[in-house]
Amino acid sequence: EPEVTQTPSHQVTQMGQEVILRCVPISNHLYFYWYRQILGQKVEFLVSFYNNEISEKSEIFDDQFSVERPDGSNFTLKIRSTKLEDSAMYFCASSENGVFPSEQYFGPGTRLTVT
Amino acid sequence: GQQVMQIPQYQHVQEGEDFTTYCNSSTTLSNIQWYKQRPGGHPVFLIQLVKSGEVKKQKRLTFQFGEAKKNSSLHITATQTTDVGTYFCAGRGSNYQLIWGAGTKLIIKP
Repeated sequence: EPEVTQTPSHQVTQMGQEVILRCVPISNHLYFYWYRQILGQKVEFLVSFYNNEISEKSEIFDDQFSVERPDGSNFTLKIRSTKLEDSAMYFCASSENGVFPSEQYFGPGTRLTVT
Repeated sequence: GQQVMQIPQYQHVQEGEDFTTYCNSSTTLSNIQWYKQRPGGHPVFLIQLVKSGEVKKQKRLTFQFGEAKKNSSLHITATQTTDVGTYFCAGRGSNYQLIWGAGTKLIIKP
């Protein structure tokens, strides 16, 4: 069964450093998403991406965040200058379509630890 | 902004007892989705409700969408240890963004 993959599974970085989290969505999906989940808390929407551009973003997704689809398969989330409060699990998800009801398939997540 | 409130935060049940979680939105939703997250895992899609008053069943799980499309519930009959995890609702509002509830953690008492 097709699945979303994410790398790395765990990333440790120092405050102020840049990190890039990588995702490979399911191949025939058109919509891609990043979510964040601080340990034990709710899932928070960051951004959705369609047709090589951001379609929606939340208040959390400020100027330190950016997303890119550098090739036909990868979807990346970059955090320019990490802060302690960026420590969380970051999930990538993809769906076949975005407007009509469509289930989202989540990857296993990348645990980001900022020290 | 749009919010989806989910209660309770935790529910402790004996194996075999029922479990229910409720979601309420401040605005009308176009649809609502339910996800399950096992401890240490990622959210996994369970179901999607679109129509007003819709009821769907998956074995021991019953999902309802309110008539006004502002609330939803998930009921599990006769819980089993495999049901352990956090159940999230996620509603889609006017801007198509999925707004997630805070989740209800199902804990089976030993």
